[in-house]
Amino acid sequence: GAGVSQSPRYKVAKRGQDVALRCDPISGHVSLFWYQQALGQGPEFLTYFQNEAQLDKSGLPSDRFFAERPEGSVSTLKIQRTQQEDSAVYLCASSLQLRLAGDEQFFGPGTRLTVL
Amino acid sequence: EDQVTQSPEALRLQEGESSSLNCSYTVSGLRGLFWYRQDPGKGPEFLFTLYSAGEEKEKERLKATLTKKESFLHITAPKPEDSATYLCAVQAPTSGTYKYIFGTGTRLKVLA
Repeated sequence: GAGVSQSPRYKVAKRGQDVALRCDPISGHVSLFWYQQALGQGPEFLTYFQNEAQLDKSGLPSDRFFAERPEGSVSTLKIQRTQQEDSAVYLCASSLQLRLAGDEQFFGPGTRLTVL
Repeated sequence: EDQVTQSPEALRLQEGESSSLNCSYTVSGLRGLFWYRQDPGKGPEFLFTLYSAGEEKEKERLKATLTKKESFLHITAPKPEDSATYLCAVQAPTSGTYKYIFGTGTRLKVLA
């Protein structure tokens, strides 16, 4: 596609509910990243995929957060038993190949999650 | 610990009033420094990549520069449409791979 797309754009969940956020990266991009952005803050790294392999998940805040990219393209970020502190914008980004120095990331519009 | 700090947090300029945004970083093995623009309700939009000290990049009213400890985003004669949050990020090695570390951004408001 022309750019990174994310769905849904907005999600309201009741505390304790499970949610799934989808990311469609730019076609051919090997690397895919998930970030969490709180209001007035910069994006905070959550996890990184190289094709279907999850190479770094050090930023996931708890075991309630799970991400997958089974076929090396579309990725899903799942949050189980949502808490109010999970409310944030979740950004997905893709890049051609992380190992290239200065390989810029292209971001999707984000999913704004509100947990009531 | 790798860190990126941006200043000021917020900046208000009159149209045509030039200024600079600062991005200070402490990382081991910088692979690249990036500037992004983020409009409300949207994802960051890529502006520039800088690789090494002394490098400069320009695009319209924006010019990015890099030293060994910081980067500046110079805005010349800004217009109201330049109002946005400007984010700085560094690409640094970690555990056999690389990661991007973002600053908290500078919120720029340009008044007509």
